[in-house]
Amino acid sequence: DAKTTQPPSMDCAEGRAANLPCNHSTISGNEYVYWYRQIHSQGPQYIIHGLKNNETNEMASLIITEDRKSSTLILPHATLRDTAVYYCIGYNSGGSNYKLTFGKGTLLTVNP
Amino acid sequence: GAVVSQHPSRVICKSGTSVKIECRSLDFQATTMFWYRQFPKQSLMLMATSNEGSKATYEQGVEKDKFLINHASLTLSTLTVTSAHPEDSSFYICSASSGIGELFFGEGSRLTVL
Repeated sequence: DAKTTQPPSMDCAEGRAANLPCNHSTISGNEYVYWYRQIHSQGPQYIIHGLKNNETNEMASLIITEDRKSSTLILPHATLRDTAVYYCIGYNSGGSNYKLTFGKGTLLTVNP
Repeated sequence: GAVVSQHPSRVICKSGTSVKIECRSLDFQATTMFWYRQFPKQSLMLMATSNEGSKATYEQGVEKDKFLINHASLTLSTLTVTSAHPEDSSFYICSASSGIGELFFGEGSRLTVL
């Protein structure tokens, strides 16, 4: 199970792009990078995941470096409702006895 | 819509009683489920991992006789907090994996032990 490190907090202006970095230098070749966010007193909400290629969906884009040691989650036009704690994790869904652990995440604050 | 459902979302119980929390995967078969607890302003702490039909694997420091986990079917796992004490008050979250990439979390269950 990959250990991830993220900055503890970031600020972003409403309407601007929010770029959230994550280091996962110990990620193994079959581990995907998953991103979730958590708003107070709710369960984590799935955002996006990827293995090697960059991914995009209706919520965000995920850029994974070629060596897969880091990634960036991009919220193209941040809104006040995007204020949350964002977690990146490495996970191999096909692995057995897998421990899915969380780091401390990044508190993103979107300011008006 | 939600693909992993937890119930109840909030529960208050008296000290010494037992509480059961259910976690259901609604849209897929969950081969693996994870249980977490979260204290205020902290990250999710993994308590145990359960595979369908097998005994749960508990993290160090988590009492398996106190936190009973059952994963009897591919769509349901339960966490029972036995003989609850006020220090067991926390936010409990489950996660379900299909084994082929899907990984979703429940809405969480807030337990308050009086």
